[in-house]
Amino acid sequence: EVQLVESGGGLVQPGGSLRLSCAASGFTFSSYWMSWVRQAPGKGLEWVANIKQDGSEKFYVDSVKGRFTISRDNAKNSLYLQMNSLRAEDTAVYYCAREDPPHYDILTGYYSAYWGQGTLVTVSS
Amino acid sequence: DIQMTQSPSSLSASVGDRVTITCRASQSISSYLNWYQQKPGKAPKLLIYAASSLQSGVPSRFSGSGSGTDFTLTISSLQPEDFATYYCQQTYSTLLGYTFGQGTKLEIK
Repeated sequence: EVQLVESGGGLVQPGGSLRLSCAASGFTFSSYWMSWVRQAPGKGLEWVANIKQDGSEKFYVDSVKGRFTISRDNAKNSLYLQMNSLRAEDTAVYYCAREDPPHYDILTGYYSAYWGQGTLVTVSS
Repeated sequence: DIQMTQSPSSLSASVGDRVTITCRASQSISSYLNWYQQKPGKAPKLLIYAASSLQSGVPSRFSGSGSGTDFTLTISSLQPEDFATYYCQQTYSTLLGYTFGQGTKLEIK
């Protein structure tokens, strides 16, 4: 069974840092692109970042570029999001998600059939 | 960036109704469009990928269509468990970001 379990959320002051983790199990983690998606309280979904299977390519939404860093450790089946210079507007539930299929299909593109339960990050003084 | 605009933002309907939600992209995204359902406090659930492919395990009353810039999600006969928020997402180019629509909240009339 595919499982994604996020951790590391919590309360942090503006300007502070936090590192989120996502533990993956039930599939060959190193075969998949992985993403972080967030949702501010009462708001919609926002794609944040993704990372290629070997970590060689990473992409970010403009609002977090230069502040957030996505990374992975395939030996530990884990995905990470290092968040620095946090702002109030970064307050959200952060989800990790697997991007399917493992090998790009020009007919389907990528989609996320598996998500974690989310971890809440609150940026407030 | 590619902007995704859903309409309507909210919708009231009754059990048994046929419902259509629209998603428009700011540029052509071919068929790289996914639909998700989200219930309060839960992670999103994939319904449709590649504009019209039904995800395994999703009831056949859900269907998707469209290509280019205009897409629709149709629920043929609403069931009580379908009242939720629906999001479209484009995955045309990771360089441009995989943006979501703003969501459509489907409520019971």
